[in-house]
Amino acid sequence: ILNVEQSPQSLHVQEGDSTNFTCSFPSSNFYALHWYRWETAKSPEALFVMTLNGDEKKKGRISATLNTKEGYSYLYIKGSQPEDSATYLCAYIYFGNEKLTFGTGTRLTIIP
Amino acid sequence: GAGVSQSPRYKVAKRGQDVALRCDPISGHVSLFWYQQALGQGPEFLTYFQNEAQLDKSGLPSDRFFAERPEGSVSTLKIQRTQQEDSAVYLCASSSTGGPSSYNSPLHFGNGTRLTVT
Repeated sequence: ILNVEQSPQSLHVQEGDSTNFTCSFPSSNFYALHWYRWETAKSPEALFVMTLNGDEKKKGRISATLNTKEGYSYLYIKGSQPEDSATYLCAYIYFGNEKLTFGTGTRLTIIP
Repeated sequence: GAGVSQSPRYKVAKRGQDVALRCDPISGHVSLFWYQQALGQGPEFLTYFQNEAQLDKSGLPSDRFFAERPEGSVSTLKIQRTQQEDSAVYLCASSSTGGPSSYNSPLHFGNGTRLTVT
């Protein structure tokens, strides 16, 4: 079984601080990595889709990097705001199993 | 609405009952996915449609689970003779592309249906 692991499971961050968390995945046969944000009572929202080793993507205060050779992606949030409180899910696709395999998520709580 | 719509939002079923969960994808979206999320877990793949064709149903946990998308738009996930282990959030997602290019496209999710089997 090829697993996606996310760490930490949960995180409390003071408003205004920056933070980051990790998604680890098997490096063989990599195809694409997705990041989603899932706020309580809402639907998961796509943040990034990344395919190339060394890729860096940015959306406002949120950015992500990708290392396909070692099998990890980092998500960074700069200057956390209360609206950043959510569960952040990563999901991975590899050749031969073309469907998203999700991690269990990192639950982020921003403390005002 | 322009998003993916799922109904009902909540469903309580007694063990042994049949349930039907509906998904209205974004209009024109080719790909449709169903996922199951048990408490404390990430979403787990159930099945995938490209238009009306069910191309992958490898994630359906038993033959009590059945999904259809007869006209390539609305999809229904049916669970027969529900069991307590079926309690989960069922997520539907759609994508504008199909085939391998869909793997590079973000999924658009609905709010999910929370099924509780008592």
